[in-house]
Amino acid sequence: AAGVIQSPRHLIKEKRETATLKCYPIPRHDTVYWYQQGPGQDPQFLISFYEKMQSDKGSIPDRFSAQQFSDYHSELNMSSLELGDSALYFCASSNRQAYGYTFGSGTRLTVV
Amino acid sequence: QKEVEQDPGPLSVPEGAIVSLNCTYSNSAFQYFMWYRQYSRKGPELLMYTYSSGNKEDGRFTAQVDKSSKYISLFIRDSQPSDSATYLCAMSAYGNKLVFGAGTILRVKS
Repeated sequence: AAGVIQSPRHLIKEKRETATLKCYPIPRHDTVYWYQQGPGQDPQFLISFYEKMQSDKGSIPDRFSAQQFSDYHSELNMSSLELGDSALYFCASSNRQAYGYTFGSGTRLTVV
Repeated sequence: QKEVEQDPGPLSVPEGAIVSLNCTYSNSAFQYFMWYRQYSRKGPELLMYTYSSGNKEDGRFTAQVDKSSKYISLFIRDSQPSDSATYLCAMSAYGNKLVFGAGTILRVKS
């Protein structure tokens, strides 16, 4: 079965650089979520999109932005990277007619 | 105080034991309750989903929700070494964004 695809799997950036993370949801899933998981931490909600419109916003820094495109894939753009942005970034998708999320395998971002 | 409290463990049990994992929460608006399993460096995998109060069983896994006590549990019967992972409880009010517990590290020894 198709899963949530995230790319890249690993990313190393220097401070003050920009990073773009991509997420391809499960086909026919209409909602995409982004979460940030720091080392030893639980996932923290960043932002979500329903039918390409932002539906909810969590603890996402102003340096970050995201969007969902016409093909339903989503991108998380992160600028002026800081050391504290080093984390696993998960994308998840769901269908409002069903229950539960499906998470991708994540992108591990390391800022040096 | 966090909205969802979960003992981080680690919890170490022998193979074949019954495992009990628990979370408490403070937000009475939560009505969707989930348990996720996360292996190291992998994305969380949905194990159980429960809406409102009650029990749900799936194979060796049983999820219980007691909304009156704001307490949820996951039981794993006949635990296996392959069950060793971090177990995260998660919940939401309207089926949208999830609030996670800290996760409990489970180690099943063969």
